[in-house]
Amino acid sequence: GEDVEQSLFLSVREGDSSVINCTYTDSSSTYLYWYKQEPGAGLQLLTYIFSNMDMKQDQRLTVLLNKKDKHLSLRIADTQTGDSAIYFCAEVTGTASKLTFGTGTRLQVTL
Amino acid sequence: DTGVSQDPRHKITKRGQNVTFRCDPISEHNRLYWYRQTLGQGPEFLTYFQNEAQLEKSRLLSDRFSAERPKGSFSTLEIQRTEQGDSAMYLCASSFGPIGDSSGYTFGSGTRLTVV
Repeated sequence: GEDVEQSLFLSVREGDSSVINCTYTDSSSTYLYWYKQEPGAGLQLLTYIFSNMDMKQDQRLTVLLNKKDKHLSLRIADTQTGDSAIYFCAEVTGTASKLTFGTGTRLQVTL
Repeated sequence: DTGVSQDPRHKITKRGQNVTFRCDPISEHNRLYWYRQTLGQGPEFLTYFQNEAQLEKSRLLSDRFSAERPKGSFSTLEIQRTEQGDSAMYLCASSFGPIGDSSGYTFGSGTRLTVV
């Protein structure tokens, strides 16, 4: 089956960096995405990385990709209380180019 | 409005009733996807349209589920004879062309279904 794995929970202090990890399954995935979901809301695209890249930085967000280990990470610098949410990694799979999501990591930011 | 719209936002129905949800994608997007998200899980793919053609359906989509996209614009997802296990958030997403576009998908806010 297609299982994208993430740790379930991460707690950080405001101002610290957060690192959310993801292991994906399809080595042929061309794009890998990070989405954010706040309570009761839909999914907000945060950032993405193309498979021929190993790093991408976008303001406070840094994505690292290790294709050999099929490992993806999202680093949030200077984490704020507004960053508290569930973060999903997703890979593109199949001919329909559908997204396969991980189970999500709940990020809790404490004062 | 340039986003993906879903209607209704919330639906409570009795077991055995039929329900229909609507999704209005971004107008220039030719691809439309339905996902289902249960509590504590990531979204799971249900079905996909390219223009008006339904090109792929997940095994999750039982024969009680049907989706349409007439004229390649809005889409509807109908669930017949609802069961308590159908309670979930139903998410719609649209994209332009093959995925890999840097904008990825645009998701709607979802329809939360509760079957009592």
